[in-house]
Order: sequence, then structure tokens, then C-alpha cells
Amino acid sequence: QVQLQESGPGLVKPSETLSLTCTVSGGSISRYFWSWIRQPPGKALEWIGYIYYSGSTNYNPSLKSRVTISVDTSKNQFSLDLTSVTAADTAVYYCARDSSCTSGSCYSDYWGQGALVTVSS
Amino acid sequence: EIVLTQSPATLSLSPGERATLSCRASQSVRSYLAWYQRKPGQAPRLLIYDVSNRATGIPARFSGSGSGTDFTLTISTLEPEDFAVYYCQQRSNWPRTFGQGTKVEIK
Repeated sequence: QVQLQESGPGLVKPSETLSLTCTVSGGSISRYFWSWIRQPPGKALEWIGYIYYSGSTNYNPSLKSRVTISVDTSKNQFSLDLTSVTAADTAVYYCARDSSCTSGSCYSDYWGQGALVTVSS
Repeated sequence: EIVLTQSPATLSLSPGERATLSCRASQSVRSYLAWYQRKPGQAPRLLIYDVSNRATGIPARFSGSGSGTDFTLTISTLEPEDFAVYYCQQRSNWPRTFGQGTKVEIK
């Protein structure tokens, strides 16, 4: 059974960089797309972007200028960096495995439990 | 981007009752719609993909229907473990988008 676990700081200061890592267990990171998705309090889920195991990426235009997603296949991990954060970036951040992709859009068949990240000084 | 509107926001029902959840898209998403379940402290779970296909291990009491812009998730007989928040998601257009969710709570 594939399992995903997010890790990283739960508190980030405004203007700094939010960094999270997702560790995949129970399966290989190879041959799949891997996404970051977030949910701010009281708002809808928002897809941030994905990375293919080979390293190619695709980001939501609303966040593209501030997002970098990377992968480390040797550790079965992928990571999210979000720069210049503000209070609006406070959210639960999920990592997920994508499947059934068409034209850059996918469903996510496995998810992590989520990590709450608060942006505050 | 496509906006998905879910209704109602909250559904209060008793175990054994039938639940009907709605998801409406701002433009056609063809048949590229999924439903997820999320319980507090747990990872979201894919229930239904491409409108009506149950994901691996999903009980038959969960079913999906619809096409174009109007979709429905039906839980035929609510079990205690089904009380949760449900989200729809489209992958017809990039970027993928999600609905705001419907909370199914115990009446």
C-alpha cells in the first residue's frame, strides 16, 4: 500500500520560503506524477503543481512565479518550495500521487494526511 | 479556470439514509470528474473517477452519475464511517480544480 507523509516546519515567517518534503513508502516514485495541493482555511482545495519522476514539472499559473517542486528518486521523496510567503499561504498542504492524467490534468489516487503550515511573524 | 460548485454545504442525515451530493461546473468537464472523501486527520481518499468508476476498494454503496456540467455522488445507505467531507474535482481543463466540499454530518 502506497503511503505519503509530508514533513517540514509548521510555522514560517512572512516573506520567507515555505519548504516541505513528501516521503513515499510502499512503492516507487518512478513512473508517476506527484503533486502538491493545498487548502487554506475555509477555502477550496488548490492544486499547486506536479513533478514527474524524471524531473519535468507543471505549475498552477496562480503560483508559478513562487513555486519550485523537485524530486529525489534515490530517497523516494519530492519537495515543495514556495517563496515570499504571506498570510494568504497559510494552509494545509497535501502531497499526492497522480494517475489518469490527460493534457496535464490528473486525479490523485494516494494522498498524505496533510501538514498545516502557518505564515506568521 | 473551471469553477466547481458543490451543494449543499452541509447534509445532516442519519445512518441508513441515502445521501445525494451535487457538483456543478461552470462549463462542461465532459466525463472527467472525480469525488474524494476526507475524514479529520486522515488522507483524502479517491472514491470515484471519470464520473462513475469506483476506485479500488470503494464499496458499492458509493455511486456517481452525471455529464457535462451537473454531477451527483450518491451514498445509497449511510454507514457510520461515511460521515465526512466530500469534494469533487475536474481534470477536463488545466489546471485541475476542486469544489468547496459538502460535509455529511450525523443528524
